[in-house]
Amino acid sequence: TQLLEQSPQFLSIQEGENLTVYCNSSSVFSSLQWYRQEPGEGPVLLVTVVTGGEVKKLKRLTFQFGDARKDSSLHITAAQPGDTGLYLCAGRISGSARQLTFGSGTQLTVLP
Amino acid sequence: IAGITQAPTSQILAAGRRMTLRCTQDMRHNAMYWYRQDLGLGLRLIHYSNTAGTTGKGEVPDGYSVSRANTDDFPLTLASAVPSQTSVYFCASRETVGNSPLHFGNGTRLTVT
Repeated sequence: TQLLEQSPQFLSIQEGENLTVYCNSSSVFSSLQWYRQEPGEGPVLLVTVVTGGEVKKLKRLTFQFGDARKDSSLHITAAQPGDTGLYLCAGRISGSARQLTFGSGTQLTVLP
Repeated sequence: IAGITQAPTSQILAAGRRMTLRCTQDMRHNAMYWYRQDLGLGLRLIHYSNTAGTTGKGEVPDGYSVSRANTDDFPLTLASAVPSQTSVYFCASRETVGNSPLHFGNGTRLTVT
């Protein structure tokens, strides 16, 4: 059982459409990060959220941390082919010395 | 700009053979990590090191060993490879300050036959 569940696992959309991917857990996290990974490369950090209810924007990407710090979402507005990639959430469990835990990822394909 | 360098890029290995995956960073980060990435399972932590001279077990450590003789290098060894160790292996490092991000290498694709 994954500590962090991501949905959907796969998403294929047309250029210009909006989309949301989700990262959910039954555990409380002190912080949560979103990474994007392109083929043949390692993941690259997009954003870190640390406060319950926090919203961060990165151009057309909007990240939200749930009020209870158990879930997060990534919303992309007017998706472009350059947004194609594997999106991974990763979190640190609150009050634990456990290392960063990754979700299973959402593979996004944006078709021109 | 180097960051994290992993070698080899890919390898096909016969079961039972010994293999060391190399990882070097030039950012002087204290913490280093080894992950394996398998379809549908995301990234799973194998071993980590918070500072030179120390190592710790991650989520899936069995069949793997690591050493951290200095700050820059963090090799991962498979003593006797098995087919279930077929995966893409990523090395990462980070500053041990707050929520500093992981910096990843480009991975080693390992196939055990």
